[in-house]
Amino acid sequence: DAMVIQNPRYQVTQFGKPVTLSCSQTLNHNVMYWYQQKSSQAPKLLFHYYDKDFNNEADTPDNFQSRRPNTSFCFLDIRSPGLGDAAMYLCATSSGKNIQYFGAGTRLSVL
Amino acid sequence: RKEVEQDPGPFNVPEGATVAFNCTYSNSASQSFFWYRQDCRKEPKLLMSVYSSGNEDGRFTAQLNRASQYISLLIRDSKLSDSATYLCVVNRGNYGQNFVFGPGTRLSVLP
Repeated sequence: DAMVIQNPRYQVTQFGKPVTLSCSQTLNHNVMYWYQQKSSQAPKLLFHYYDKDFNNEADTPDNFQSRRPNTSFCFLDIRSPGLGDAAMYLCATSSGKNIQYFGAGTRLSVL
Repeated sequence: RKEVEQDPGPFNVPEGATVAFNCTYSNSASQSFFWYRQDCRKEPKLLMSVYSSGNEDGRFTAQLNRASQYISLLIRDSKLSDSATYLCVVNRGNYGQNFVFGPGTRLSVLP
């Protein structure tokens, strides 16, 4: 059974139209991460939550926001998607320094 | 210089070959180390953690040299199903949140 679930698997949006990606977990892990992965590149960390504490990477654009209303759920909001934001978005969880568990990802297309 | 670097690849090897991947990291405070594999258009999945004493899981052997800040992965008797991108992942954080991905090395096992 999937332990980190991302919805939707595929998302198509229009240039500039806000979009929200969803992630939920059944592992009760305290850390949740959002990564952006473009074709043939490694996943790039956007931000993570350690419990309720939000930690933004220095080079994450302001266009990307996140919410974590409770332990199980985390959302990625892209306020004004540009063509360059088309990518796979991966959610992951971990418990402290232990391994990360990834969701299947949401593939975002921007038209 | 990237914090985590890997062999550029791609590696094209025949079935049954032995193949070795190398990874170096620059942050000497890094605390835990992993190899993930990622199939095309899928999420990364943990292959194995890497311990200082070295560890083996079937056909896969991982080694860590903290003094040289070097990690390796050896695949013996490679199978067609081993074709994937192999990602070296380093956790440099005290609290477990700072996972850094290498760029990945693509492996194609040929019949």
